[in-house]
Amino acid sequence: AQSVSQHNHHVILSEAASLELGCNYSYGGTVNLFWYVQYPGQHLQLLLKYFSGDPLVKGIKGFEAEFIKSKFSFNLRKPSVQWSDTAEYFCAVNVAGNMLTFGGGTRLMVKP
Amino acid sequence: DSGVTQTPKHLITATGQRVTLRCSPRSGDLSVYWYQQSLDQGLQFLIQYYNGEERAKGNILERFSAQQFPDLHSELNLSSLELGDSALYFCASNGGDSSYNEQFFGPGTRLTVL
Repeated sequence: AQSVSQHNHHVILSEAASLELGCNYSYGGTVNLFWYVQYPGQHLQLLLKYFSGDPLVKGIKGFEAEFIKSKFSFNLRKPSVQWSDTAEYFCAVNVAGNMLTFGGGTRLMVKP
Repeated sequence: DSGVTQTPKHLITATGQRVTLRCSPRSGDLSVYWYQQSLDQGLQFLIQYYNGEERAKGNILERFSAQQFPDLHSELNLSSLELGDSALYFCASNGGDSSYNEQFFGPGTRLTVL
């Protein structure tokens, strides 16, 4: 079975700082990769997804992620964070049957 | 707003009781997924239904069951509740006919077992 690891459980940044959240998965075959965001008190929303093609994926709100197959990684990046990016971020993979396997999440706090 | 609705928003009950959580998928979506989000276990897949049939099962306890009705809404039944069942229960939906579809999540039902 596949698994997903998010190494940073809590991240605190100041506004305008750059962000990189790590995500590694374990599965040897073809995967679909996702980053979801959960703002305080809200439901999960899709930030971006990778199925195939260009490994650098651009999502909403200035986020991007790079799929590096050799490293089994799909790290999330944003050049300059804002206070409104304070949320919990989840990396997820989908192999077969459409179920999503989520990482443990990373809580990001952006200080104004 | 994802188009997925869940009721109730909050549920407080006692150990040993039984509750039913309801989910209405986005219009046109045939597949419904249930996930449990708890502090110790994180976000875990419970079960998937596609057009009324169970399609996949994850870490769902025997005390839990689900079904999807002809109008495609789904219910998750939790019985003999324990303190550890306190969690946020999310429903998600998509077309279900391809693994390339993202899942759209509802607002969740927060269950508190006292």
